[in-house]
Amino acid sequence: QKEVEQDPGPLSVPEGAIVSLNCTYSNSAFQYFMWYRQYSRKGPELLMYTYSSGNKEDGRFTAQVDKSSKYISLFIRDSQPSDSATYLCAPDSYSGAGSYQLTFGKGTKLSVIP
Amino acid sequence: DAGVTQSPTHLIKTRGQQVTLRCSPKSGHDTVSWYQQALGQGPQFIFQYYEEEERQRGNFPDRFSGHQFPNYSSELNVNALLLGDSALYLCASSLEGLMIYEQYFGPGTRLTVT
Repeated sequence: QKEVEQDPGPLSVPEGAIVSLNCTYSNSAFQYFMWYRQYSRKGPELLMYTYSSGNKEDGRFTAQVDKSSKYISLFIRDSQPSDSATYLCAPDSYSGAGSYQLTFGKGTKLSVIP
Repeated sequence: DAGVTQSPTHLIKTRGQQVTLRCSPKSGHDTVSWYQQALGQGPQFIFQYYEEEERQRGNFPDRFSGHQFPNYSSELNVNALLLGDSALYLCASSLEGLMIYEQYFGPGTRLTVT
């Protein structure tokens, strides 16, 4: 079983729809949960991160973590064509000292149709 | 303030050849990580350099090697190229002591092995 599982999609939604993107993970030591957005032919950019369980909201984006079920979600409200990208989840157990490496999910390719 | 830069943008090599990819970290950053992203996959960690030393390595063979220079820039070398090495190679930089989510990715170098 891979450490991080993510449905690669593709996912196609009409403009204005609510989008739900999800990941599951197996390592119970993960405590930081990042979401990256990657536009075509670009490097990933950090979209949001959460620490431990709970919700975090940033504009139209909400990140949700349920550590009991090892389930990570990203919700996008009022989706826009500019949200069309690949979304990568990356949970980690980083302790704040020393070296680290990110473990990414496969990424979900999202297309928002005008 | 320039972000992470990588060169070249694209590269085509023949099986068995050797390749060198270059990365300049974001101004003020001293740590460089390299990732391989195959088509349709999430980035996979290759290794991380800090203080001109490789301090963490992912599950990649010795054909993959690197170097970090005193100005913190870095090179990724791949010997005896295989068709399976075709991928987007991403460089990410950070500053020692910052959190794992304070890591910035470059646009990547797309390597095609024929």
